Amino acid sequence: GAVVSQHPSWVICKSGTSVKIECRSLDFQATTMFWYRQFPKQSLMLMATSNEGSKATYEQGVEKDKFLINHASLTLSTLTVTSAHPEDSSFYICSATGLAPDTQYFGPGTRLTVL
Amino acid sequence: GDSVTQMEGPVTLSEEAFLTINCTYTATGYPSLFWYVQYPGEGLQLLLKATKADDKGSNKGFEATYRKETTSFHLEKGSVQVSDSAVYFCALSDPLYNQGGKLIFGQGTELSVKP
Repeated sequence: GAVVSQHPSWVICKSGTSVKIECRSLDFQATTMFWYRQFPKQSLMLMATSNEGSKATYEQGVEKDKFLINHASLTLSTLTVTSAHPEDSSFYICSATGLAPDTQYFGPGTRLTVL
Repeated sequence: GDSVTQMEGPVTLSEEAFLTINCTYTATGYPSLFWYVQYPGEGLQLLLKATKADDKGSNKGFEATYRKETTSFHLEKGSVQVSDSAVYFCALSDPLYNQGGKLIFGQGTELSVKP
C-alpha cells in the first residue's frame, strides 16, 4: 500500500510554455499533498502544501502565480509551471499523507528541463 | 525553528562494512523522526521511523533509535551492500511547530558502497 505516482516522469519543454505535473495516490485517500523541488545533490525544498478542495499554502519565496497547484480530489493534485524558463528546470517531487498523519509517501519525481 | 543536521557526505564504504550516518535535530515539541532513502533518479522512500523517545525504527537491516537526551537519530547498518548506495535523508515532523505534517529535512548524506 501507500503508492504515489507522478506523471510524466520527465518532460522537456520550450521556454514560455506551461507544463502540468500530476500526482496521484493510487491506493489511499490523500488528505494532504506536498510539492517539493530538488536541485542536483541538494535536499528537498518544500514549495507548497495542498488540501483537497482548498487553496494551496505556499512557502515563503515561492511564486503562487507561477506554480499553480490544484487539489481537486482526494487522490489527485496537479502542479502547473506556467511560462516556464530554464531556471525552472529541476526535479519536482510530490508526497501525500493519509494513511498515517505524520508519514509522507513520496512519488518518484518528475524531471523538468526547460530549453 | 526546528532543524535537522546530518553528517556531510559522500560516505564511501566497502561492502560488508559497518555504516553510521549521524543525524541530530532541534525541535520545539515532540517530533516524529524519519529516515528516507533516495536512489539515483528516483523519489524518496520511507526507510524507517520512530515516533517517541527510545523507540527504535528498523527496516532492511537499517536501525535508528530516537534519543531525546542527545536529540539524535543516527542511522546504522551492520553490513552494507552495493545496493545500499543512495542518498539518505533524516527528517522530522513536529506537530507543535508544523501543522499539516510538514517534514523538515536534513541536507542528505550520499553513501557509496564499493564491491
